[in-house]
Amino acid sequence: GDSVTQMEGPVTLSEEAFLTINCTYTATGYPSLFWYVQYPGEGLQLLLKATKADDKGSNKGFEATYRKETTSFHLEKGSVQVSDSAVYFCALRGGAEGDKLVFGAGTILRVKS
Amino acid sequence: DAGITQSPRHKVTETGTPVTLRCHQTENHRYMYWYRQDPGHGLRLIHYSYGVKDTDKGEVSDGYSVSRSKTEDFLLTLESATSSQTSVYFCAISEAGYNSPLHFGNGTRLTVT
Repeated sequence: GDSVTQMEGPVTLSEEAFLTINCTYTATGYPSLFWYVQYPGEGLQLLLKATKADDKGSNKGFEATYRKETTSFHLEKGSVQVSDSAVYFCALRGGAEGDKLVFGAGTILRVKS
Repeated sequence: DAGITQSPRHKVTETGTPVTLRCHQTENHRYMYWYRQDPGHGLRLIHYSYGVKDTDKGEVSDGYSVSRSKTEDFLLTLESATSSQTSVYFCAISEAGYNSPLHFGNGTRLTVT
């Protein structure tokens, strides 16, 4: 079946540091890929998405590129802020699991001032 | 934000009692989902619906049932609550198509004592 693997956290960075959260996937076909963010006590919010190979999703300074050759969708941000502290989930839809969203385990990001 | 309302937001109940959680949407989306989120387990799919009266099981469906008699409402019922069902429950909605993201509600925190 489909699966998503994220780097383990927590990731702790100083403000203005560069962020990378690795995400790789296993899926049949051509799934769409998503990053979600969850702030404490809240639900998941869509951060960005990419629907085909070489697409780049971007939002709020975050970016991720759909790399089919390496089955990866790494999340990056050039300069993190304390307000970016949250849990980040990588997910896919449209592989063998069809309409279900398959999640990675989530990565906790802590940004210190 | 997608129009999703979960009720109640918090509930404490006793072991063995029935509990119903409600998800209401105003987006007229075809797909609706129930997930549970637990520390160390990430998000796990309980049940989902792909249309009125059309539902299917997820990976952790034992002990749960669902109903969808109207497009806008998706009910999750715990027939006889157990302590292992203490969790945060999230509803999500989506349009048809693998390119469409899921949009999540703010969650219901359920405690079974």
